[in-house]
Amino acid sequence: DQQVKQNSPSLSVQEGRISILNCDYTNSMFDYFLWYKKYPAEGPTFLISISSIKDKNEDGRFTVFLNKSAKHLSLHIVPSQPGDSAVYFCAARASNYKLTFGKGTLLTVNP
Amino acid sequence: DGGITQSPKYLFRKEGQNVTLSCEQNLNHDAMYWYRQDPGQGLRLIYYSQIVNDFQKGDIAEGYSVSREKKESFPLTVTSAQKNPTAFYLCASSTPPGELFFGEGSRLTVL
Repeated sequence: DQQVKQNSPSLSVQEGRISILNCDYTNSMFDYFLWYKKYPAEGPTFLISISSIKDKNEDGRFTVFLNKSAKHLSLHIVPSQPGDSAVYFCAARASNYKLTFGKGTLLTVNP
Repeated sequence: DGGITQSPKYLFRKEGQNVTLSCEQNLNHDAMYWYRQDPGQGLRLIYYSQIVNDFQKGDIAEGYSVSREKKESFPLTVTSAQKNPTAFYLCASSTPPGELFFGEGSRLTVL
C-alpha cells in the first residue's frame, strides 16, 4: 500500500519554463515532507522541505507547496535549467522519523 | 570532509553467497538507514537504527541483517535468503528530526 505517490513517472519541460512535480500522500500522521534530487548511480541529495504547519517554503528557484486538506504537495522549479534534469523523490516523515519515499519522477529539461 | 562513505561501489555475488556492504559516517549522526532502489520502485527502507546497539526492521527486511556496534558504522549483510538481491543499495544518516544525508550507493549484482 503506497503511502506516498508520485503519479507522473516522467516530465519534460523547456529550459526557462516552470517545472511542477506533484506528490500525494495518504497517511495523515505525516508531519514533515521533503524533496530529494537524484542523478543515476549516485545517492539522493536533499533539496527542500516543508513542515505540516506551513503551506509554502521557498529556496531560490525551488518552492514547495503543501495542501494538507488535499494531502498533496508540489515542487515548483522556476526557471528550469538543463542541470535540473534528474529523478525527483518526494518523501514524508511520521513521528518515528522514518522516511517514506514515492517512486520518483524523472524530470528532463530540454535546452 | 564530513560525509557518508559506502563501499564497495560495485559488487558481484554468486547465488548462495552472503555479502556485506559497508557504511561509515563522520557526521556524528545518531540515526542510520539502509534503503534499496529498484527501477520504478523508488526507495524502500530495509533497516534503520536510531541509536547504537539498537535497530529496527523497515518495510523489506527479509533476507537482510545489520549491526550497529559503533555510532559511525552500520553494515548491511545481504544473505542467501534474499531472493532478489540485485539492486542499488543506499545508506543514509540523520540527526532526527532533520533530513537524511545519503551515501553514493553500492550496486550489487548477483551472477
